[in-house]
Amino acid sequence: AQSVTQPDIHITVSEGASLELRCNYSYGATPYLFWYVQSPGQGLQLLLKYFSGDTLVQGIKGFEAEFKRSQSSFNLRKPSVHWSDAAEYFCAVAGQFYFGTGTSLTVIP
Amino acid sequence: NAGVMQNPRHLVRRRGQEARLRCSPMKGHSHVYWYRQLPEEGLKFMVYLQKENIIDESGMPKERFSAEFPKEGPSILRIQQVVRGDSAAYFCASSPWGEETQYFGPGTRLLVL
Repeated sequence: AQSVTQPDIHITVSEGASLELRCNYSYGATPYLFWYVQSPGQGLQLLLKYFSGDTLVQGIKGFEAEFKRSQSSFNLRKPSVHWSDAAEYFCAVAGQFYFGTGTSLTVIP
Repeated sequence: NAGVMQNPRHLVRRRGQEARLRCSPMKGHSHVYWYRQLPEEGLKFMVYLQKENIIDESGMPKERFSAEFPKEGPSILRIQQVVRGDSAAYFCASSPWGEETQYFGPGTRLLVL
């Protein structure tokens, strides 16, 4: 069965620091993987997606993610976090579209 | 190109009333998905529709909930005889035929008093 796990419920980083949000998936075949961001009271905005090819994918707002089949992971990274990045981040796997429970990011000045 | 539209953005209902949530997909998108987000939780898939056809409703509660996507007009998620536990944010997403990427609307926040 498909599933997505985001082990970190909440992460706090200082502005300018690097960021890595973890995502592990369970899927029988080659997965289609996504990262979305949700600001308070808003809908979900697509950050990036992986379907095939290069395992390092670039997204909007300076985010990138790396697909590692051996670890069943699709971690999201950003080299330098901005205060405006504070939001809820969701990893998802396509098929029926399963979402992780989300990681809430707080950015401190 | 307008994004996915949902209305109303906020909806207040008393227990026992009906709630109708509307979703207009992006232009050219033929697939619509509905999700529910409870407070402090992720999104849970409810139903996947194409025009005039329900493809997958495995996430829909068996009673009181129904969805449609008619040939003309928006997709409708209907909740009959609402209960307090139905209070949540309901999101709609759309995708074009043959594409996996889903584009989300701003959601409808339903509050049942």
